[in-house]
Amino acid sequence: GDSVTQMEGPVTLSEEAFLTINCTYTATGYPSLFWYVQYPGEGLQLLLKATKADDKGSNKGFEATYRKETTSFHLEKGSVQVSDSAVYFCALRGDNQGGKLIFGQGTELSVKP
Amino acid sequence: DTGVSQDPRHKITKRGQNVTFRCDPISEHNRLYWYRQTLGQGPEFLTYFQNEAQLEKSRLLSDRFSAERPKGSFSTLEIQRTEQGDSAMYLCASSPSGFETQYFGPGTRLLVL
Repeated sequence: GDSVTQMEGPVTLSEEAFLTINCTYTATGYPSLFWYVQYPGEGLQLLLKATKADDKGSNKGFEATYRKETTSFHLEKGSVQVSDSAVYFCALRGDNQGGKLIFGQGTELSVKP
Repeated sequence: DTGVSQDPRHKITKRGQNVTFRCDPISEHNRLYWYRQTLGQGPEFLTYFQNEAQLEKSRLLSDRFSAERPKGSFSTLEIQRTEQGDSAMYLCASSPSGFETQYFGPGTRLLVL
């Protein structure tokens, strides 16, 4: 079945460092890909998405490109801030599967001043 | 525009008791999803509704779990004869359709003693 694999955390960075969180997926057909973020004490929020190959999703300085050839959707940010500290989840929505999301295990990011 | 709301936010119960959670989706969202998230893991799909019809149930949803969405508005998730393994965060999400962004509620955290 479809699945998502994320790099394990926690990831600890200094403010203004470059961030990469790896995400790879296994799916048949043409899934849509998402990054959700969960700030401490809050619910899941959509960060960005891409619905077809080579699409780039972006929001709040974060970017991810849908790479079908490598089945990847890595999250990047050029300069992280303390306020980016959160848990990040990669997810896919498969074709003809009712819209349900399949999530990776999450990657905790901690940014130190 | 209010978001997805869930009630209660926290529930502590003793093993063997029944519990019921409520989810109020964003108004006019036809799709409603339930997920379960255990500590350190990503959310896992449980079930979803298109209006009042329950269209899919995960194998994670044992016979002790039942979900309803009367009149296609709010939804309830009931767990009968709770077990310690049911301790988790139960998340609700809604979307206008199966191909659009899912918006998550804050979740109900269940602890079974």
